[in-house]
Parts: sequence; C-alpha cells; structure tokens
Amino acid sequence: AQTVTQSQPEMSVQEAETVTLSCTYDTSESDYYLFWYKQPPSRQMILVIRQEAYKQQNATENRFSVNFQKAAKSFSLKISDSQLGDAAMYFCAYRSHRPLNEKLTFGTGTRLTIIP
Amino acid sequence: GAVVSQHPSRVICKSGTSVKIECRSLDFQATTMFWYRQFPKQSLMLMATSNEGSKATYEQGVEKDKFLINHASLTLSTLTVTSAHPEDSSFYICSASKRAVHEQYFGPGTRLTVT
Repeated sequence: AQTVTQSQPEMSVQEAETVTLSCTYDTSESDYYLFWYKQPPSRQMILVIRQEAYKQQNATENRFSVNFQKAAKSFSLKISDSQLGDAAMYFCAYRSHRPLNEKLTFGTGTRLTIIP
Repeated sequence: GAVVSQHPSRVICKSGTSVKIECRSLDFQATTMFWYRQFPKQSLMLMATSNEGSKATYEQGVEKDKFLINHASLTLSTLTVTSAHPEDSSFYICSASKRAVHEQYFGPGTRLTVT
C-alpha cells in the first residue's frame, strides 16, 4: 500500500517570502500521479498543482512549483512571493496510474501561516 | 468546468435518526465518486469509492451498513448515515472524477452534527 508523509505539521513564512513544504511517499509502482491540494478555512479542497511521475520536468503553476525527486520519492512544494491568501492547510496526495485505482492517498497535512 | 456541489452544507440530527447527503457533479458526468471523512485538524480519510450503477467499494474499517452509498446516475451520489450517533459527527466531503482526467474535483463538504 502507498503511504504519504508530511513531516511538517506547521510552517510559517513572512509575506512575500518563499516557503517549501515537504512530502515523501512510498510506493512500488513506477507510474503514478502526485498532487498538492490546498484547504483554506472554508474547507473547500483546491488543487494547487499536479505532477505525472513519468515526466521529469517539475510542474509549475504561477507562484507554485514542485521539486519532484522520483528516486528519493520526494515531492516538495515551493510557494514564491507568499501572499496572505496562501494561508491554509496543504495536503500532498498520491494516485496510482492504474485505471481502476483512482483513489487518492493523502498525507497528514501542513498548516501554513503567512505573517504580514 | 468541473464543479461539484454538496447538499446540505450543514445538518444537525438527533441520535438514532438517518441523514442523507447529496453530491452532484454540475457540469460533467462523473464516472467515479468518492466519499471522505475529515475530523478536526486531520487529513481526509477515504470511506468509499462508487461507480455509477454498481455497488460502492468501502475502505477497510468503514461499516457499509451504516454508511449507505448510492450512485444512481452519472451526476449524483448520496451518502446516508443510518442510525446516526454522536461519534458520527464529522465533516464529510465528496469528490468526483471524469473519464481520462486524472484528478478529483471536490465538493464543499457537509458538516454533520449528531446530538
């Protein structure tokens, strides 16, 4: 079974600075998907960024980028120019590439606080 | 596109009664729907996966007779908590996926309080 580990329960960053959230995972599969989701106080889950394991290039979405290290099974999220609206719980998630196994395995989350 | 709604957003019920939560994909056909439970300050725990027209697949430890899931159409899934007890109080989130798209779209969640 796959597991996802987020070792930072809480992080804080000064507004406009850069912060990196860590995520490691364990799997025996060679092809899969990785995601970062954001859950603000409204509790609506919002997809931040996704990465396909077969792609070597790290995914980026505006101020959000990942450092995907397949061999190390590491998938960290970097948030640049942090904004007050980035304050939320961030969850790392894993999904198998197999068509009949679509379920997501989530990490325990990292609560990000933005300091004005 | 890819909007998922849940109804109700909040519900309070008395112990021993049943409550139904609806999950709808508003602008797409959902091949698969998922139901999660989230306790305060914790992660999402998958309860079950359902495909339209077939029985739901429950995760280990989830009582299928207590948490009834029906996926009657490609846009609607329901979760019924039967004979609810205070320990069933939680935040329930549904999500949906569509064919050939490898991500899930989440509903806004339903807060259930059992008194």
